[in-house]
Amino acid sequence: GESVGLHLPTLSVQEGDNSIINCAYSNSASDYFIWYKQESGKGPQFIIDIRSNMDKRQGQRVTVLLNKTVKHLSLQIAATQPGDSAVYFCAENLSGSARQLTFGSGTQLTVLP
Amino acid sequence: DTAVSQTPKYLVTQMGNDKSIKCEQNLGHDTMYWYKQDSKKFLKIMFSYNNKELIINETVPNRFSPKSPDKAHLNLHINSLELGDSAVYFCASSQVGGNSEAFFGQGTRLTVV
Repeated sequence: GESVGLHLPTLSVQEGDNSIINCAYSNSASDYFIWYKQESGKGPQFIIDIRSNMDKRQGQRVTVLLNKTVKHLSLQIAATQPGDSAVYFCAENLSGSARQLTFGSGTQLTVLP
Repeated sequence: DTAVSQTPKYLVTQMGNDKSIKCEQNLGHDTMYWYKQDSKKFLKIMFSYNNKELIINETVPNRFSPKSPDKAHLNLHINSLELGDSAVYFCASSQVGGNSEAFFGQGTRLTVV
């Protein structure tokens, strides 16, 4: 299943299917991007990051794709498991002296048995 | 060992009261942050400190006053609490001098009644 991030804040997928969570970021000068996972009652947890000189990065069961032309980021989760159910945030980091992460609005991923 | 710890986890208080939330990180990071997460899960940065110095202060009411006694601690004091202050507050830390992820605490759920 796919989400459109800001416009579809929820995504439901069947266990074992692949998930795609999308994010449109705001600043063309951002040079570092992170996906976070936030489970209920917990703080955001780092999943994977990517720098602006790359367009793809793979981790364990997760892949992040970066399209700088259209300022779009996606997170692909392979073989989605019940433990993947959480809110997923993309965050962008604008390089410079005042370092901060700006978060997107988040997508709630629900894995159906 | 908890990397970023904040206390208390839950805080229920009446309007008009003054309260503090404490945060400590044992990661040796130079930069610490406070984020506010509203009921729609939107995460917004409030403050950022680098080596005990304020470097980011978003449009936060001056009832909110961060204090950093040393670079491992960043406390948040809130005066004259209002109903709209109810939210989950997250402390985070990161390294400076290179793009790197922020590590988050488990959050403090503040409820103003």
